[in-house]
Amino acid sequence: NAGVTQTPKFQVLKTGQSMTLQCAQDMNHNSMYWYRQDPGMGLRLIYYSASEGTTDKGEVPNGYNVSRLNKREFSLRLESAAPSQTSVYFCASSVLGTVFRLMEAFFGQGTRLTVV
Amino acid sequence: KNEVEQSPQNLTAQEGEFITINCSYSVGISALHWLQQHPGGGIVSLFMLSSGKKKHGRLIATINIQEKHSSLHITASHPRDSAVYICAAPSPTSGTYKYIFGTGTRLKVLA
Repeated sequence: NAGVTQTPKFQVLKTGQSMTLQCAQDMNHNSMYWYRQDPGMGLRLIYYSASEGTTDKGEVPNGYNVSRLNKREFSLRLESAAPSQTSVYFCASSVLGTVFRLMEAFFGQGTRLTVV
Repeated sequence: KNEVEQSPQNLTAQEGEFITINCSYSVGISALHWLQQHPGGGIVSLFMLSSGKKKHGRLIATINIQEKHSSLHITASHPRDSAVYICAAPSPTSGTYKYIFGTGTRLKVLA
């Protein structure tokens, strides 16, 4: 099915371990985004990529790095995981240009990450 | 205090009931969005409102810009409506990429 695909769906890490969350979209969208969702808080933007070859920090970038590998793929890396990074992570992409229009955005199914 | 507040946080209803979810915001906005997050995690946009009311099937969204309040209504609720409903507003100060999301209302409709 067309859309945004995230892998893995679930992951448990030990404190200090590293991992990369993968995101791919097959809709030829220019812009892609990584959010985290925590209990009692709204979705918060970690990083975004307005177009292939560019990345920018969002609200909560500390402890994360990203790579826009090509137009399809946008990965999120945790270099040294901490319990505070336990969260559900969502990747999203947007239809038009470099503007994130929420009404036209597609979200992945989420990755539930637990850091122990 | 979150700039976008939702109530209630959790809601359980019997099938067929009329449901109302509220969203209040403290920032000046041009539009407000309602999203649905399915139990499997996927998030889809339901409505974007800048004034008045919009209807899609059994879902109705209203907004009062002056009072900074929006409501999402579900008529004749069904167990398949069980989901988390999220309101979101574009941040007035942070450019085109940033939205302020509410914490969500978890709805469970019992058969």
